[in-house]
Amino acid sequence: AQSVTQLDSQVPVFEEAPVELRCNYSSSVSVYLFWYVQYPNQGLQLLLKYLSGSTLVKGINGFEAEFNKSQTSFHLRKPSVHISDTAEYFCAVTGSLLTDSWGKLQFGAGTQVVVTP
Amino acid sequence: EPEVTQTPSHQVTQMGQEVILRCVPISNHLYFYWYRQILGQKVEFLVSFYNNEISEKSEIFDDQFSVERPDGSNFTLKIRSTKLEDSAMYFCASSESGAEYFGAGTRLSVL
Repeated sequence: AQSVTQLDSQVPVFEEAPVELRCNYSSSVSVYLFWYVQYPNQGLQLLLKYLSGSTLVKGINGFEAEFNKSQTSFHLRKPSVHISDTAEYFCAVTGSLLTDSWGKLQFGAGTQVVVTP
Repeated sequence: EPEVTQTPSHQVTQMGQEVILRCVPISNHLYFYWYRQILGQKVEFLVSFYNNEISEKSEIFDDQFSVERPDGSNFTLKIRSTKLEDSAMYFCASSESGAEYFGAGTRLSVL
């Protein structure tokens, strides 16, 4: 089974400043990793994914994340945030394809990002 | 861009009543899922569905829950006799074999 820990429940940040959201996971098998964003009163939108290959993955809206297997981390970064990035961000993990735990996403508790002018 | 659609967006029901939440997954996807998010809690996996049968289900997905793909496009979650603790946001998702794409959710309120 997999689990995810998002270390920060809330991250306040000023507009145009950089932001990093931390995510650590645990798993006994190889994993796929995801970040989702949830804007107020909306569903979960996929920001980016790591399935295999390059450990630096780029997503929508200028976000990127780096898979670090040795540290079991998948931190999300954006170099310059906008007011519109105010939302809740969820890290999620599943076992990779052909593992028994594939397709059953485990979510972190979420990190609320509040961007102020 | 293709998307997962869910109806209704908000469902209010009385305790003990049956509810059916509906989802139209992305058309070329083969794997379908239901998740729920109780207010203030994590998003939790309920069930996955592939090739017209349940692939996996969580402990939450007891006999009160069932899923069905009645035709080529819809995927439904039925709760037979709702309890107060079933109040939550229910998300449908679909995937090919990689990322799961989520709908906007149905907020279920059990009174």
